[in-house]
Amino acid sequence: DIQVTQSPSTLSASVGDRVTITCRASQGVDSWLAWFQQKPGKAPKLLIYKASNLESGVPSRFSGSGSGTEFTLTISSLQPDDFAIYYCQHYSAYSPWTFGQGTKVET
Amino acid sequence: QVQLQESGPGLLKPSETLSLTCTVSGDPLSDYHWSWIRQPPGQGLEWIGQIHDSGSSNYNPSLKSRVTISVDTSRKKFSLKLNSVTAADTAVYFCAAYRGGWSGVGPWGQGTLVTVSS
Repeated sequence: DIQVTQSPSTLSASVGDRVTITCRASQGVDSWLAWFQQKPGKAPKLLIYKASNLESGVPSRFSGSGSGTEFTLTISSLQPDDFAIYYCQHYSAYSPWTFGQGTKVET
Repeated sequence: QVQLQESGPGLLKPSETLSLTCTVSGDPLSDYHWSWIRQPPGQGLEWIGQIHDSGSSNYNPSLKSRVTISVDTSRKKFSLKLNSVTAADTAVYFCAAYRGGWSGVGPWGQGTLVTVSS
């Protein structure tokens, strides 16, 4: 099975900072990679799909890049609402999904 | 716009069967994959499995022997059964919609906490 590993597990940042989170897949997954944001007590919210496509309604300060085994989520200028936990996810229609272990962005 | 809502018992005893239902409103169920994901308290997300409206399904290999996901398109519901539960199955359970292909997974239900305790 394909595993995805995120780094770092915790990230300390300030409002206005550029933030980058990395996700590595144990084998090539093409662009079958998504990013989610989760806040306490809430369901995850889709930010990026197909590695680099911004979900409708998500601010343009979020961006994704990569393909194959290495992917990144970038927040160009961290806003107060962005302090949360971020997960990457390998997905596809007919094979098992896996989630990264999460990256907590804190002040 | 699809909206999802989980329902089911919040407290189970060890060895019982967890049964949850996700009710779908909005778009018709066709051409969607319907998924269950769980999150133990304070931990990360774990995918349980998914089913297409055609009935085709796949499951997390680590849970496959205990899981059944089914869909009732006429009643706009899909369900999760997980048998022989233990305390390790205590989690918030989310249902989610996936349109297939490159599109991402969403929307999600709000989640429902299931606690397994004697």
